[in-house]
Amino acid sequence: GAGVSQSPSNKVTEKGKDVELRCDPISGHTALYWYRQSLGQGLEFLIYFQGNSAPDKSGLPSDRFSAERTGGSVSTLTIQRTQQEDSAVYLCASSQSEPNTQYFGPGTRLTVL
Amino acid sequence: GDSVTQMEGPVTLSEEAFLTINCTYTATGYPSLFWYVQYPGEGLQLLLKATKADDKGSNKGFEATYRKETTSFHLEKGSVQVSDSAVYFCALRTLSSGSARQLTFGSGTQLTVLP
Repeated sequence: GAGVSQSPSNKVTEKGKDVELRCDPISGHTALYWYRQSLGQGLEFLIYFQGNSAPDKSGLPSDRFSAERTGGSVSTLTIQRTQQEDSAVYLCASSQSEPNTQYFGPGTRLTVL
Repeated sequence: GDSVTQMEGPVTLSEEAFLTINCTYTATGYPSLFWYVQYPGEGLQLLLKATKADDKGSNKGFEATYRKETTSFHLEKGSVQVSDSAVYFCALRTLSSGSARQLTFGSGTQLTVLP
């Protein structure tokens, strides 16, 4: 079946601009995660959605970062007023409640000039 | 907090050599343990997992055993191939009450296998 998809695959933006990154999870997966992969910080958890519960935002690095998940499916990660340190690969993963194995999308490579 | 420490890379081996990538962890509770692999230009893929002590995960000739007494989950393969060249990530997930069940990753180990 189809895996996790993300768009765009690459995004180049200027410092100060807003960007939106999209994630389509595997159909039927109730849990959705965003991670960030950067050279200096490795793989970091950002935010977690489970069903209709309030998201766990404990990993978001600043209030410029936000995410939403509409209809329990597609998710959008928004970064406002981008900074150069936001340059990274943003990964989305989804899972069923149990077993909780997470399946990752190909990522969006964000470059902030 | 939870953490994963894995062998620094890069690791370069000849084809058919034996591979070990060390991974140790610190966690509250009883974590599940994972190895993910990232091939060049591709996303993270689950390689294998183990959910309780003494479990052995295996896939594609790779193995790792959950050792609670040494808090380790070392990745091994008896005979590597050029196609195994990738970055390998050790990860854990705890299921404590209220946790987001997110994965905590090690820093990754770059493996290059030469023909």
